Amino acid sequence: DAGVIQSPRHEVTEMGQEVTLRCKPISGHNSLFWYRQTMMRGLELLIYFNNNVPIDDSGMPEDRFSAKMPNASFSTLKIQPSEPRDSAVYFCASSFLGTVRKNIQYFGAGTRLSVL
Amino acid sequence: QQQVKQSPQSLIVQKGGISIINCAYENTAFDYFPWYQQFPGKGPALLIAIRPDVSEKKEGRFTISFNKSAKQFSLHIMDSQPGDSATYFCAASREVGGTSYGKLTFGQGTILTVHP
Repeated sequence: DAGVIQSPRHEVTEMGQEVTLRCKPISGHNSLFWYRQTMMRGLELLIYFNNNVPIDDSGMPEDRFSAKMPNASFSTLKIQPSEPRDSAVYFCASSFLGTVRKNIQYFGAGTRLSVL
Repeated sequence: QQQVKQSPQSLIVQKGGISIINCAYENTAFDYFPWYQQFPGKGPALLIAIRPDVSEKKEGRFTISFNKSAKQFSLHIMDSQPGDSATYFCAASREVGGTSYGKLTFGQGTILTVHP
């Protein structure tokens, strides 16, 4: 398996523009997590899905952020409008939760977002 | 009550030395404690994990020590090598009887530098 795939790897945009980050989880995984990483705040959980359903979006900083998971193999995180303070590395992770206790999250390589 | 506090923020060790990173948690419902390792430009990856039914787990040069009564756990890296230089995150989750769907609460991270 290729692992969790995120695109783009780097995104540079201007303040006010819409940004869409994409994630393809590992096939067969049923949970998906979006994180944001900055030097100041560390690794923050933004939202997570189980079986394509959003479970907890309390980490989403503002209404400018939205996430969708239309099917088991694809998720998006959208920022509209973007602001310079949104500059960070955004990670997607997936895991499989089953009857056997084995909570391992597999992270993608991340998208480095710069909002000018 | 969901926080996981990690220290130190940064750590410099000489090659061959012992690196020790500490974490403390508040939520007594947590029952799974992984450590993730992150190299520059990469996503975090699971390094080693422990459950509270044991006080220690060792995998190669990496050991987790767990103190349930003190609600603390630590990562020990023996014979530290320059290749161990990375950011280390402790985390915690509730796997049994909860509805967290695998949500991990991460510590703030420790930047480890091992000098040759």
